[in-house]
Amino acid sequence: QKEVEQNSGPLSVPEGAIASLNCTYSDRGSQSFFWYRQYSGKSPELIMSIYSNGDKEDGRFTAQLNKASQYVSLLIRDSQPSDSATYLCAVNPDTVGGSQGNLIFGKGTKLSVKP
Amino acid sequence: DGGITQSPKYLFRKEGQNVTLSCEQNLNHDAMYWYRQDPGQGLRLIYYSQIVNDFQKGDIAEGYSVSREKKESFPLTVTSAQKNPTAFYLCASSPGPWGTEAFFGQGTRLTVV
Repeated sequence: QKEVEQNSGPLSVPEGAIASLNCTYSDRGSQSFFWYRQYSGKSPELIMSIYSNGDKEDGRFTAQLNKASQYVSLLIRDSQPSDSATYLCAVNPDTVGGSQGNLIFGKGTKLSVKP
Repeated sequence: DGGITQSPKYLFRKEGQNVTLSCEQNLNHDAMYWYRQDPGQGLRLIYYSQIVNDFQKGDIAEGYSVSREKKESFPLTVTSAQKNPTAFYLCASSPGPWGTEAFFGQGTRLTVV
């Protein structure tokens, strides 16, 4: 069973701090990794995608991928109260040799940014 | 204005009735998906389709049915065989099946009484 694991939280950080969200995955052959933000009662919104080892930055968001450790993280710099949401990690499993091609989601980490 | 449209946003049904949730996309995406979200359970895949007239069961397909007669439409029917249908249902689409990101509609919250 291919799995994606996240700490459910809640993770509480003060406004202006760096929030660090972590995710591990079980399928070593996974190639594509995504972070979604989901506000309460709303649908998930894609905020970052990463495909190769290293860091990828987009504004206040940085995604980090380490395939050897099967680990992906999301850093949010200068956290704002509007960043308070649940963050879902999603992994596209091994795409070689007949993968289903659909995303596997973690259960999400709830982030709370305190003013 | 491109996107994925789910309707209705809220749906109430009596126990034992079948109900169909609509999902339409105008993004010209090949793949479409239905997920179910329950509190503390994350997103679970119900059905997915990578091409018109073809679809595959996901992890929790029992009690659900789908069709994919048109590229832009992927309706989900929740049948009376689904034991616990009250949930938040999310439709998504992606440009292709391999390694591409998925985009979600606004969701349908189904309550069965």
